[in-house]
Amino acid sequence: SYDLTQPPSVSVSPGQTASITCSGHKLGNENGCWYQQRPGQSPVLLIYQNARRPSGIPERFSGSISGNTATLTISGTQAMDEADYYCQAWDSNTAVFGGGTKLTVL
Amino acid sequence: EVQLVESGGGLVKPGRSLRLSCTASGFTFDAYPMSWFRQAPGKGLEWVGFIRSEGFGGTTEYAASVKGRFTISRDDSRRIAYLQMNSLRTEDTAVYYCTRDYGDVEYWGQGILVTVSS
Repeated sequence: SYDLTQPPSVSVSPGQTASITCSGHKLGNENGCWYQQRPGQSPVLLIYQNARRPSGIPERFSGSISGNTATLTISGTQAMDEADYYCQAWDSNTAVFGGGTKLTVL
Repeated sequence: EVQLVESGGGLVKPGRSLRLSCTASGFTFDAYPMSWFRQAPGKGLEWVGFIRSEGFGGTTEYAASVKGRFTISRDDSRRIAYLQMNSLRTEDTAVYYCTRDYGDVEYWGQGILVTVSS
């Protein structure tokens, strides 16, 4: 099976930049996306096609890809950004999620 | 405004069946694929499967963990997507989400809890 690997947790101070990585050997060939999920809420699409942002998503969220690693970057992190973040990609008509990263804003 | 409302969840014994419904509004339902995702308590997101629109054959795809036990269907006249879950296992306990589209999902339901326990 195809796996996407994320760090379980990332900590950041308010106003600083947080980076969350997602590694998978097919990521360089497939478009991936990122979701944010706050406790008790449904996921929210943050980034699609590796680097595109849906309307309504703040510009402080950005995505990039280098080789087989996708990165979600949050600039000027705010307390409200404390949440779980998931990367997701496709493998032969099967959706695969990373294990999720808990972002703590200290 | 796109709205997706799941119903039909609850407590069910292992080996039994349950059918979830997802009632949609605010968009042209028959033009879009519909998907189901789930999240076990304290765990990450997991894709369950999706159904294409009738224009693309209305065919389905499933995760390996549910293939052969779960069936996704749709009633375009009623704007409802279904998730029929048979031979339920304790590990199927999760919040189940209905979504419009299957990739780059912008629209999610609020989720509904299914608990499989004796």
